[in-house]
Amino acid sequence: GAVVSQHPSRVICKSGTSVKIECRSLDFQATTMFWYRQFPKQSLMLMATSNEGSKATYEQGVEKDKFLINHASLTLSTLTVTSAHPEDSSFYICSAGIRGGAGHEQYFGPGTRLTVT
Amino acid sequence: RKEVEQDPGPFNVPEGATVAFNCTYSNSASQSFFWYRQDCRKEPKLLMSVYSSGNEDGRFTAQLNRASQYISLLIRDSKLSDSATYLCVVTGETGYSTLTFGKGTMLLVSP
Repeated sequence: GAVVSQHPSRVICKSGTSVKIECRSLDFQATTMFWYRQFPKQSLMLMATSNEGSKATYEQGVEKDKFLINHASLTLSTLTVTSAHPEDSSFYICSAGIRGGAGHEQYFGPGTRLTVT
Repeated sequence: RKEVEQDPGPFNVPEGATVAFNCTYSNSASQSFFWYRQDCRKEPKLLMSVYSSGNEDGRFTAQLNRASQYISLLIRDSKLSDSATYLCVVTGETGYSTLTFGKGTMLLVSP
């Protein structure tokens, strides 16, 4: 149980275009989903926390107008990278917290590798 | 000071060796502590939680020293499949606290 999927697993896009990444909890309800970014040889950095039906909370330094997060249901959150640039190339990982589970319990999706050319 | 600090390694050890990783964290209010494992180009996966009393799971032993804000992971009888990056992770104070990840320590186990 507690499986989280992400789609796509890999995407290459041109500079200036937008890319949407989906994160789904397959067999549980996730009231909270987290979006992380990881650059090569760096730690995972939390970008934002989203609660179903409400606005996401962004970490300092993360532009909310550039990284649009929607958490419309208990099983789906999306991250849209708008007007992507090469410096946005990274590994984007979502995680989901189980409704009713331990507060710190998070399950990670397999990640999406974004390359902006 | 970084929130979670780890020696990046790599630690190169032969099969069967015992290896230990350390981690320090800066937030004294952190409540929960974990070791995650991340394989190359994959998502992190929970290896084990770390408790104040110390805990063991097979070949893996984790220790927490709150006074020193220090966490350790000991791997005994290393296997080739243990080769990965080990991430030290701490949470904030309560609830769905954010997870703060260290950069990880790379372990390479050779035949």
